[in-house]
Amino acid sequence: NAGVTQTPKFQVLKTGQSMTLQCAQDMNHNSMYWYRQDPGMGLRLIYYSASEGTTDKGEVPNGYNVSRLNKREFSLRLESAAPSQTSVYFCASSPGALRANYGYTFGSGTRLTVV
Amino acid sequence: GENVEQHPSTLSVQEGDSAVIKCTYSDSASNYFPWYKQELGKGPQLIIDIRSNVGEKKDQRIAVTLNKTAKHFSLHITETQPEDSAVYFCAASKGGSQGNLIFGKGTKLSVKP
Repeated sequence: NAGVTQTPKFQVLKTGQSMTLQCAQDMNHNSMYWYRQDPGMGLRLIYYSASEGTTDKGEVPNGYNVSRLNKREFSLRLESAAPSQTSVYFCASSPGALRANYGYTFGSGTRLTVV
Repeated sequence: GENVEQHPSTLSVQEGDSAVIKCTYSDSASNYFPWYKQELGKGPQLIIDIRSNVGEKKDQRIAVTLNKTAKHFSLHITETQPEDSAVYFCAASKGGSQGNLIFGKGTKLSVKP
């Protein structure tokens, strides 16, 4: 009964390095999301995938790319990390945006520091 | 687009008192309003939600009310306990292909024993 699993839990990067944050869900959900959480800013949507094979930009997409690898997995890539990307990143999933609204299930987060 | 405002940003209560957190939304087409609780070091967890065809919903010590005319909704926690201490987020969505959840900025609730 894992729900949404994110890896890694912690990461320190140097400015300019690249990395991929991994997310997988085992609930057969159609939609998946990436959020970042910064103090006083709440949760801001980076990218989302309404269904397998589709991805769309959210509120703060600059500096990120995503891949919906299959129905279970949705990865977030930082091509050239910047200190402004220091944040806690959360992946979430839901049954599907095209159905009646359902709450999201969140992973436990990845705490990323860019130095 | 939708904008969700949440107040207060911090709230401190004595154990056993009630706590109320309020949110307003801007898009009258929004029809789904969940509340999330985030404990330290963890991801947000859905605790209760309400849809636009309902005015109030209760689940043990927590309740949510919705006023569609005024476009605001509130979370009520009664008989607060220290384990209620957390950050609470409200959110709103209008469903469909553009129905992503828009979150408020959160309320840090502290319950003092």
